[in-house]
This record gives sequence, C-alpha cells and structure tokens, in this order.
Amino acid sequence: DARVTQTPRHKVTEMGQEVTMRCQPILGHNTVFWYRQTMMQGLELLAYFRNRAPLDDSGMPKDRFSAEMPDATLATLKIQPSEPRDSAVYFCASGLGEFTPEQYFGPGTRLTVT
Amino acid sequence: AQSVAQPEDQVNVAEGNPLTVKCTYSVSGNPYLFWYVQYPNRGLQFLLKYITGDNLVKGSYGFEAEFNKSQTSFHLKKPSALVSDSALYFCAVRDAVEAGNNRKLIWGLGTSLAVNP
Repeated sequence: DARVTQTPRHKVTEMGQEVTMRCQPILGHNTVFWYRQTMMQGLELLAYFRNRAPLDDSGMPKDRFSAEMPDATLATLKIQPSEPRDSAVYFCASGLGEFTPEQYFGPGTRLTVT
Repeated sequence: AQSVAQPEDQVNVAEGNPLTVKCTYSVSGNPYLFWYVQYPNRGLQFLLKYITGDNLVKGSYGFEAEFNKSQTSFHLKKPSALVSDSALYFCAVRDAVEAGNNRKLIWGLGTSLAVNP
C-alpha cells in the first residue's frame, strides 16, 4: 500500500530555531506539494514541484521558508528562523500530474513554535 | 480567476439520513473537480473526482458527487449517512487547461460534517 510519509510527525521548538520537515512521495509520482493547515487560514499551498523542479512557491514566505527536492524520493521544507505564527500542520502530497491530477497526502507534521 | 466556495461551515445530519455537502466553483475553462475528506489528526484522503464524462461520479465509502455545469456546482452526496462519516470535507478545482506549468488545485475552506446517532 503506497503512501506518502512525513517526518517528524510532531515537532516542538523554540522561536528562532531551524525546523526541517521531510517528505517521501509515493514512488513514481512526479509532482510534490507542500501545504500548511491552520484553523484561521485553512489549507494553504506553500510550494509545489514537478519532476523535482519548483513550479510555484508564491505561497511561501521567502525570507524564512525554503523547499527543495534533493532527489525524487525526498522533499524538504525548512523554516529558519521559526516563529510562533508558523505553528500549524504541514502536509506533503504527491501526484502523477496531468492525467491523474488527484493528490495523495501524507499524515502531516504538527509544528509548535513556542 | 479560479475559486471554490463551500457555503456551509458545518452540516449536521442524523445517521441513516441522506447527506449533501455543497460546492460551487469558478474556472475560465473546463473544470477538474475533486472531493477530499480529512478525519481528525489525519491527512486529507482523496474521495472522488470529475474529469470528463458522466456527470454523476461515484467514489469511496459510498459517496458520490454530481457535476452540474450550468450551476457550476459539484455537490457531494451520500444516500445514508454513518456516524463514521463525521469529518472535514474539502472541495477542490483546477482548470483542465492551465497556461504554462501551473497545475495547482484551488481548495475550498472545508465543511465539517457531523452525523448524529
């Protein structure tokens, strides 16, 4: 049963610290998405990649957030420095792109910044 | 501009009754439409999609949705609700043809479904 995996599942950190979240997309999927979910804002798209190339990161605060895909099996989302307003659940999703456009979500990383 | 509206923040139904979760959309061309469900402390799960063809789409867990082009709607339905259907439901849309490489989904804010025993 192929699934998107995310680590860590929970992260508590202090303001100013660096946070790195990792995602392993489903093998063979060529699109990867990073979302943030909060009660106030709902589901926000932060960035997405196709064939490891970043296509859209307009939803991401550029000064502190960065997203990369070092290889086809790993996507990372980094926050440096973290702030309390970054507290949220961060989801990674992967998909096959144009002809099967549905996305498959990981379980999320719940981030708390104190 | 593309947009999705889920006009109800919460829907309450009694177990065994039919349920409807509403979604309307706006795209410039033909839409790809999706429903996802999120159970507490879990990621979103794909339920069903409309790409082309029959306007009535059947999905997981007995859910179905009807694409209505004239009303630009894609309401999610189930004939008989279960308590276990209680969750957050998201509608999403994408234009079938996007300029350049833009393939992102536009998401609704979600509707919380509560099925009462």
